[in-house]
Amino acid sequence: AQSVTQLDSQVPVFEEAPVELRCNYSSSVSVYLFWYVQYPNQGLQLLLKYLSGSTLVKGINGFEAEFNKSQTSFHLRKPSVHISDTAEYFCAVSAQNQGAQKLVFGQGTRLTINP
Amino acid sequence: SQTIHQWPATLVQPVGSPLSLECTVEGTSNPNLYWYRQAAGRGLQLLFYSVGIGQISSEVPQNLSASRPQDRQFILSSKKLLLSDSGFYLCAWSLTSGSWNEQFFGPGTRLTVL
Repeated sequence: AQSVTQLDSQVPVFEEAPVELRCNYSSSVSVYLFWYVQYPNQGLQLLLKYLSGSTLVKGINGFEAEFNKSQTSFHLRKPSVHISDTAEYFCAVSAQNQGAQKLVFGQGTRLTINP
Repeated sequence: SQTIHQWPATLVQPVGSPLSLECTVEGTSNPNLYWYRQAAGRGLQLLFYSVGIGQISSEVPQNLSASRPQDRQFILSSKKLLLSDSGFYLCAWSLTSGSWNEQFFGPGTRLTVL
């Protein structure tokens, strides 16, 4: 089984400041890793994913994340945030080589951008 | 292109009443389908998934059930709602080929049980 821990439930930052949202996971098998964004009262949108290869992955809206296998982490970063980045962000994992890809989500981090 | 619909968008129901939430996907065939729930202050939890018509797998024991009467239709039901069933319900679909396929989420249904 897999589990995901997002260490911060809320992160307030000022506009144009850098941000890091932390994610740690545990799994007895190899996993794929994801970050999703949820804008208020909307469904989820995939920001980025790590399947294999380079441990630094780039996604939409200027976000990037780095897979660290030894620390079982997949932290999300953005060098300069905008008001429009205000949303809830979910880290998720999915075990590799399973027929239906069941996502296991963290509790979410609410990112608030202040002007 | 593919689209996913969920209805209703919002629902307020009394405790003990029945529930039926519907999800339909357009523009693809034989998708994998998923139901997730997001309870207040918590992350998303996978409730059910389906790899084909009539094939339902339950991830969490509860008073909810799911059915897939048609290829692109996924229904979440309950005979008697509990207060703890309140939450935001999300349906998702994915392709079935390959080692990994992105899940695409619907707009969600916000359920309040009073």
